[in-house]
Amino acid sequence: ETGVTQSPTHLIKTRGQQVTLRCSSQSGHNTVSWYQQALGQGPQFIFQYYREEENGRGNFPPRFSGLQFPNYSSELNVNALELDDSALYLCASSLNRKNTEAFFGQGTRLTVV
Amino acid sequence: DQQVKQNSPSLSVQEGRISILNCDYTNSMFDYFLWYKKYPAEGPTFLISISSIKDKNEDGRFTVFLNKSAKHLSLHIVPSQPGDSAVYFCAASASGSSNTGKLIFGQGTTLQVKP
Repeated sequence: ETGVTQSPTHLIKTRGQQVTLRCSSQSGHNTVSWYQQALGQGPQFIFQYYREEENGRGNFPPRFSGLQFPNYSSELNVNALELDDSALYLCASSLNRKNTEAFFGQGTRLTVV
Repeated sequence: DQQVKQNSPSLSVQEGRISILNCDYTNSMFDYFLWYKKYPAEGPTFLISISSIKDKNEDGRFTVFLNKSAKHLSLHIVPSQPGDSAVYFCAASASGSSNTGKLIFGQGTTLQVKP
């Protein structure tokens, strides 16, 4: 068991709504990264948080935002949901910012209708 | 622009034989490579990694080979077991402040090990 937990596991939202996904990192890990995995594709990097600050961002619009809390847990917020946002959202925690051994949670399956 | 490519969407091998999963990359700045295994309804599980200063790393039944000149890496599983049946992702990262924390994944290869 990796120790990284995500909630909820499944979610259905309507286009235009906002969603918040949550991630508890593995004990001792100060770095959290978020990925979006579309069907049949590999995970795509959204952003990373290190010690409560954004530490890198992929090619995602500003309506994708995040937070990291003092206990290193994290949230991913998506505003103005679009149908193409339907995907598996994965959270990964690691001991270092380079993700030399990132541990993933089971993911949140988001469906936008 | 797919910087990490896994050109074989699927692979089927017999139990006990060797499984070889391949991965190609285009960015010469990549200096760390990882392999992940993913079962349905679970997150990816870290398998093995290799730094660009090495050309081989071994962990039990899993060995990763890196050919920097060809920008190619491969994962060998010997012997293959039915429990190895899963989707395998290759991932890469690059040094530099603008790349910190970003893992670039391939599309994945579905491995089926037949009993």
